[in-house]
Formats: sequence, structure tokens, C-alpha cells
Amino acid sequence: DSGVTQTPKHLITATGQRVTLRCSPRSGDLSVYWYQQSLDQGLQFLIQYYNGEERAKGNILERFSAQQFPDLHSELNLSSLELGDSALYFCASDWVTDTQYFGPGTRLTVL
Amino acid sequence: GENVEQHPSTLSVQEGDSAVIKCTYSDSASNYFPWYKQELGKRPQLIIDIRSNVGEKKDQRIAVTLNKTAKHFSLHITETQPEDSAVYFCAASGGNTPLVFGKGTRLSVIA
Repeated sequence: DSGVTQTPKHLITATGQRVTLRCSPRSGDLSVYWYQQSLDQGLQFLIQYYNGEERAKGNILERFSAQQFPDLHSELNLSSLELGDSALYFCASDWVTDTQYFGPGTRLTVL
Repeated sequence: GENVEQHPSTLSVQEGDSAVIKCTYSDSASNYFPWYKQELGKRPQLIIDIRSNVGEKKDQRIAVTLNKTAKHFSLHITETQPEDSAVYFCAASGGNTPLVFGKGTRLSVIA
């Protein structure tokens, strides 16, 4: 167990819908990263938050947004979902050290 | 930005043999190089990491080497066991920054 939690584990929804993925970082970690892993693809960085502020942005679609709350948990919002958005979404956290620990992921299926 | 190349994409070895996976990176500012092991549908799990002030690091059957001049680093697994079968990802970052991952190596250890 990495200490990073994510909910839900699985999400099945339809095209055009909106979903919210939630992540709680390890105790003491101020930074949260979101990564997307499509089938047979590597891990692609989406966005990083540090202590409530956006710190870095990767190849995140405009339909996707995120935020980090005062208690440091983070939410990733995906809207106008398309079939191609089906993927595993991982969050990771760090700060005390620069080692990123990953949560168990949310498997999103868009039908 | 940073680009990480990883080879080979698939690797099959006999149980007890060694496995070597190689990665190159492009950004000389990168100073942190972790390796993750990912089993099907599971989270990436950190197995070893190395920082740019160190040339080699070992942890039991796993070792990583780093050549800063050539901008490449390698993972060595000795005395491979069937439970080593998984996908391995290398990554690079500047520390407390987003990880840039290689595309992964699928390792199969044949009993």
C-alpha cells in the first residue's frame, strides 16, 4: 500500500457525460500528479498541483480540469467524454522526497 | 522538453538468467531516475531509483546504473524469477516535477 488513495476503482459511463475522479495523497505530501494510461500505452502526465496551486501542465485536454483542495485531496474532472478517454487514471504524490508513489488508479470505461 | 526512450519493448528470459533494460533521456537538467514495475491492471510500484550524483545503486537482485555523460541509465535484474514478469517503466525528472516515462518493457520470465 503506497498510502495514496483513489476513488472510485471503476467507472463506467456513456459518451458525452462528465465524471469526477478523486485522489488523496500520502500524509505530508503537498504535491499531486495525475497520469493517464491508455490500453498498451505508457504513462502520460496530465497535470500537477502543489499545495492548492497548479504547478505544471502536460497534454491535458481542455475538456479535462483538476483542482486541489485545502485538505490536499485532488479531483480530476473529465467532461464531454469520448470513447478515446477510456483509460486508467493514476494519481501520484510527493514532496517530502521526490519519490512519487502511485495510487491504485481509476479504470474509466466510456461506452 | 524531456524525452525518454526505452529498449527493448519486450524481453523474454529463462528463469535464473539476467535481464537488462536500457533507457536514454534528452534533458541534461534531469537528475532523478526511478524505475517502476507494473503488473496487469495494478499501480506502478517503485522498485529502485537513482539520482544524478550516484553512478550505480543496488538492492538485492536489482541494480541501476547511470551514465550522465551519455544520458543513459539501465536496470539490471539478476537471477530472474517468474514473479519478476511484469511491465517495467523507466522515468526521468528534475525532482518534485512530473515524471517523463519510457514506453515500457514487457518482461517474461520463463520457468
